[in-house]
Amino acid sequence: DAGVTQSPTHLIKTRGQQVTLRCSPKSGHDTVSWYQQALGQGPQFIFQYYEEEERQRGNFPDRFSGHQFPNYSSELNVNALLLGDSALYLCASSLRGPTDTQYFGPGTRLTVL
Amino acid sequence: QKEVEQNSGPLSVPEGAIASLNCTYSDRVSQSFFWYRQYSGKSPELIMSIYSNGDKEDGRFTAQLNKASQYVSLLIRDSQPSDSATYLCAVSPRTGGFKTIFGAGTRLFVKA
Repeated sequence: DAGVTQSPTHLIKTRGQQVTLRCSPKSGHDTVSWYQQALGQGPQFIFQYYEEEERQRGNFPDRFSGHQFPNYSSELNVNALLLGDSALYLCASSLRGPTDTQYFGPGTRLTVL
Repeated sequence: QKEVEQNSGPLSVPEGAIASLNCTYSDRVSQSFFWYRQYSGKSPELIMSIYSNGDKEDGRFTAQLNKASQYVSLLIRDSQPSDSATYLCAVSPRTGGFKTIFGAGTRLFVKA
């Protein structure tokens, strides 16, 4: 049973560039959430996708956008990268229901120079 | 006031002791509560989930929830050096797939 997978593992970009991160949910899951985790902090909720729509959004600017595909996989796009966007980006999948337990992928480490 | 608060630690306990990790949350209507363990450089790994008041035990781990006090805790019995990690408390305002809010985590060191 495949768990949550993310690609790439590491990424180095320069300020102003754009980046796309990818996530495949755990088998049987239909909901994908994205988080940003800065060093020494807890994960911060970016947004959640269910049925190919953004269902909830955290306090992140419009430079952060996403997409969910019919097979439930998801992408996170970040435009006009800033130095402060350097972080571990985590994807978590869950099955929508009364117990919405989230399981995390290994993360993508983004460094913006 | 932060939505989910944890003592950042580090909390240091000797091997074999009980480690007690605490968390408070501000949203009184919160329904789902989770504890994750995160090793340095790795992603969070789910340890326990709890939804109703009282205790829930799973092996060496016990989660305790008190909604009236807006407090959730994690006890680790017979602590091992491999338990040394950051423990994240997470709270979901409602069930049904809504966003989960994380605390900043408590670093635990278990001394051999």
